[in-house]
Amino acid sequence: DFVMTQSPLSLPVTPGEPASISCRSSQSLLHRNGNNYLDWYLQKPGQSPQLLISMGSNRASGVPDRFSGSGSGTDFTLEISRVEAEDVGIYYCMQARQPPWTFGQGTKVEIK
Amino acid sequence: QVQLVQSGAEVKKPGSAVKVSCKASEDTFSRLALSWVREAPGHGLEWMGGIIPILGAVNHAPKFQGRVTITADKSTSTVYMELSSLRSEDTARYYCASSIVGTTSLDQWGQGTLVTVSS
Repeated sequence: DFVMTQSPLSLPVTPGEPASISCRSSQSLLHRNGNNYLDWYLQKPGQSPQLLISMGSNRASGVPDRFSGSGSGTDFTLEISRVEAEDVGIYYCMQARQPPWTFGQGTKVEIK
Repeated sequence: QVQLVQSGAEVKKPGSAVKVSCKASEDTFSRLALSWVREAPGHGLEWMGGIIPILGAVNHAPKFQGRVTITADKSTSTVYMELSSLRSEDTARYYCASSIVGTTSLDQWGQGTLVTVSS
């Protein structure tokens, strides 16, 4: 199985400041079609997860442009340019390069 | 936009089985691939398997092989996940989530179904 490792696991943030989460895969997520099969999800408290970023860098519909994804192969980053209070929750990366799809451990983002 | 509505909470005895349903918007069902993801306390998210109803293709995570059965009823736009030989560690919230066939990103999620396994 592909092992996904996120860091940090806990991230206290100050509203208005940037934040960054790293996700590393044990194997390359880059397919020969040029796509990286890496998504980012946010699970807000008491809610179902929601898709933020697909294929490493494509913002999902309705996702604010303060969220951005980057990376290729085995190393990926989710960045929030200016954190807002509504961004609190647990962020997960997930690989879909090969079944079984696997998630990172999750990064809990909370306001300082 | 796809809407996924799951069945209600369940309480089960160890060793028994549970079957959770997920009904999708009927006008989109033929374009969907559906996955099951669970969230156990303190364990984050875990992909259990998925199905492409229009193709009849099913994939299970090896961890659940032999215990999980994922099926679809195209006539009612509903997918099912049955987990057998339940143990306390299977206590979790179970989500169905959809992607468009040919893609893998889970862009719509159901509300989740809490399954409690307790004697």
